[in-house]
Amino acid sequence: DAGITQSPRYKITETGRQVTLMCHQTWSHSYMFWYRQDLGHGLRLIYYSAAADITDKGEVPDGYVVSRSKTENFPLTLESATRSQTSVYFCASREGNEQFFGPGTRLTVL
Amino acid sequence: GQQLNQSPQSMFIQEGEDVSMNCTSSSIFNTWLWYKQDPGEGPVLLIALYKAGELTSNGRLTAQFGITRKDSFLNISASIPSDVGIYFCAGRTGNQFYFGTGTSLTVIP
Repeated sequence: DAGITQSPRYKITETGRQVTLMCHQTWSHSYMFWYRQDLGHGLRLIYYSAAADITDKGEVPDGYVVSRSKTENFPLTLESATRSQTSVYFCASREGNEQFFGPGTRLTVL
Repeated sequence: GQQLNQSPQSMFIQEGEDVSMNCTSSSIFNTWLWYKQDPGEGPVLLIALYKAGELTSNGRLTAQFGITRKDSFLNISASIPSDVGIYFCAGRTGNQFYFGTGTSLTVIP
């Protein structure tokens, strides 16, 4: 089915480890986004990308790295995971004024 | 960063009742969006609003883009059990979307 997929859906890691969360879309939307969702904060933008090889910081980019070598993929990497990065991560893409979300990845950093 | 004030934070209603929630911001937005999120899932787009004053319906849902462009509301009529979930508003300016903290809706059969 067309849409946005995220993998893994669940991940447990340890402090200091590198973790990469994958996002893939089948629509060929130009814009893609990464958010984290935490209680009391709602959804906060980490990074977004306007097209392949174009990325920009969002509201909370520290500790994260993104890349966009292909339009359909937008991986998010935590270079050295910290406990404060325990969260649910959502990838999204945009068509026109509307944004569509993936199912999320629940990440726990011990 | 910008944060939208969404209220109420939670609602407990009887099946069949109407529901109203709203979102306000100190900033002007070009687009307002309303999403519903079920447990363990990503937010799903319900309604998108593009012009100040616009009133849009999607089945039992009605949403309005405030005249000042700083607010929006969502109404759900004749609630049913499957309306349970968390509802988020979002405002778009430029390339970024800003989200409210959500309204948790519980429908009592």
